Amino acid sequence: SQKIEQNSEALNIQEGKTATLTCNYTNYSPAYLQWYRQDPGRGPVFLLLIRENEKEKRKERLKVTFDTTLKQSLFHITASQPADSATYLCALESGYNKLIFGAGTRLAVHP
Amino acid sequence: DVKVTQSSRYLVKRTGEKVFLECVQDMDHENMFWYRQDPGLGLRLIYFSYDVKMKEKGDIPEGYSVSREKKERFSLILESASTNQTSMYLCASSLLGDGAYEQYFGPGTRLTVT
Repeated sequence: SQKIEQNSEALNIQEGKTATLTCNYTNYSPAYLQWYRQDPGRGPVFLLLIRENEKEKRKERLKVTFDTTLKQSLFHITASQPADSATYLCALESGYNKLIFGAGTRLAVHP
Repeated sequence: DVKVTQSSRYLVKRTGEKVFLECVQDMDHENMFWYRQDPGLGLRLIYFSYDVKMKEKGDIPEGYSVSREKKERFSLILESASTNQTSMYLCASSLLGDGAYEQYFGPGTRLTVT
């Protein structure tokens, strides 16, 4: 069955540094992958989408890469700020308009 | 501004009660989804619907049913609530089609079954 792994340990970084979050998957070849942000007690909010034929996607301070050979996506936040502190979820396409989500990685950016 | 609303933020029910969770979206989306989110397990799909009166089982449908009588409204029903259904329930909607569409989520309902 499809499996998605995100680092369960929280990532702690200093303000201004680049945060890098990892999403690994097995037993599947998704047509696209999405990243969401979730704040405590709230629903996830869509951030970025990357398709299988795209190596990299950028949006302001965010960058996503997608390596279909390694079955891995990396999510980068450059010049991180305390306001970037949240849980970040990776989601893979798993059939027609459906997604399968990872458990998420909590990011804490310290001043 | 697009919006998905859920009927309650917090709900406490007793074991054996019938529970209704309501979700409404104002984006005219065809797809609607119900997930539950538990620590360490991520979001797991319970049911989804791609049209009025249509429903498809997700990964964990046991103990749940759904209803979609109108396009904008998708209800999740716990026929007889049990303590292992204590969880955060999230509703989402998206467009239907061949595109890779993002999902829009509601704020969630934290359900406690005692």
